[in-house]
Amino acid sequence: ILNVEQSPQSLHVQEGDSTNFTCSFPSSNFYALHWYRWETAKSPEALFVMTLNGDEKKKGRISATLNTKEGYSYLYIKGSQPEDSATYLCAFKPLGVNKLIFGSGTRLLVRP
Amino acid sequence: NAGVTQTPKFQVLKTGQSMTLQCAQDMNHNSMYWYRQDPGMGLRLIYYSASEGTTDKGEVPNGYNVSRLNKREFSLRLESAAPSQTSVYFCASSEAQGQQYFGPGTRLTVT
Repeated sequence: ILNVEQSPQSLHVQEGDSTNFTCSFPSSNFYALHWYRWETAKSPEALFVMTLNGDEKKKGRISATLNTKEGYSYLYIKGSQPEDSATYLCAFKPLGVNKLIFGSGTRLLVRP
Repeated sequence: NAGVTQTPKFQVLKTGQSMTLQCAQDMNHNSMYWYRQDPGMGLRLIYYSASEGTTDKGEVPNGYNVSRLNKREFSLRLESAAPSQTSVYFCASSEAQGQQYFGPGTRLTVT
């Protein structure tokens, strides 16, 4: 059974704080690691697709790193804003299998 | 481009009734997926179709059937609905190795 774990489960921060969360995934048979942002009452939207060990991706104030050898990825948000409030999902794509295995997400609430 | 569309948006069924959830995408993607989302459990894969003409089971296929009608459309059928199938259902599509694009979801309640 392939397990993808995310921590923490939920996080409350103050506007302006920087924050980060973790995604752990199997280190064998790795093909890709995806991050999605999921706002309440909407659909998940892709943030990053990462495939190479040591990859770093950035979109505005959000960035992510990838370590495939030890099986983890970090998502960072710099200077959190209330509009960053959402659930952040990571998903692991194994080699040779055309599907994603999702973690249960980190729910972020940014207080004004 | 509409992206991924799903119908209906909401549905209430009685136990034992059947229904089909429809999904279509206009991005010419080969792969399509059906997920269910339950509180505290993230997204769980029900079935997927890597390409037209193929379907495979995901983590939670029991009680569901799927049809990949053509490249655009992938439907999910509940033959005999049960209260445990109360959930929000998301359809998604992707090119084989790329990000997934999600539909708006169908909220299903089985009483």
